[in-house]
Amino acid sequence: KAGVTQTPRYLIKTRGQQVTLSCSPISGHRSVSWYQQTPGQGLQFLFEYFSETQRNKGNFPGRFSGRQFSNSRSEMNVSTLELGDSALYLCASSIGTTSYEQYFGPGTRLTVT
Amino acid sequence: QQQVKQSPQSLIVQKGGISIINCAYENTAFDYFPWYQQFPGKGPALLIAIRPDVSEKKEGRVTISFNKSAKQFSLHIMDSQPGDSATYFCAATTGGAAGNKLTFGGGTRVLVKP
Repeated sequence: KAGVTQTPRYLIKTRGQQVTLSCSPISGHRSVSWYQQTPGQGLQFLFEYFSETQRNKGNFPGRFSGRQFSNSRSEMNVSTLELGDSALYLCASSIGTTSYEQYFGPGTRLTVT
Repeated sequence: QQQVKQSPQSLIVQKGGISIINCAYENTAFDYFPWYQQFPGKGPALLIAIRPDVSEKKEGRVTISFNKSAKQFSLHIMDSQPGDSATYFCAATTGGAAGNKLTFGGGTRVLVKP
């Protein structure tokens, strides 16, 4: 099976812009979670989608949003970018029901200048 | 509030030695504890995981020990090799209908010297 794929892998944006990141889960997986990784804060949970519904949400401002499509692919959007949003954004997929195992993609490295 | 505390932050081990990483958690509702390995420029890779009803789980050179009463769990990597040099993260989740939110420890950077 193909693993979790994320696009783009690298992105450079300017403060105030918005960005959309994409994630394709492992085939058959219905849950997609998003995490932010920074040197200072480590790995932090953003949100999780299961069957197109947000099932869980972390403590991030409303500028961070996401959605999931009927084929389980997911996108996350960050509006009005701030310098502090520079991070590695990771997507993880899991079956979503009978198993807790989550498999991560390679991430999207976002740099905000 | 940091719900999963991981130590040490960094570790240097000689080739053939044992790498030991410890984690402590606060939320007694956690019922699944995975460990992830991350190489620079890559996403975390699931290494091994344990549920609270098991005190120890071994897969190859890697062992998880779990102490439910102390709310602690640890990762042991036996016969450490230079290829094991990476950052290791412990995590915990309640899972189930509440969703798959993973709470991570701060990470341990392991360097295995040849």
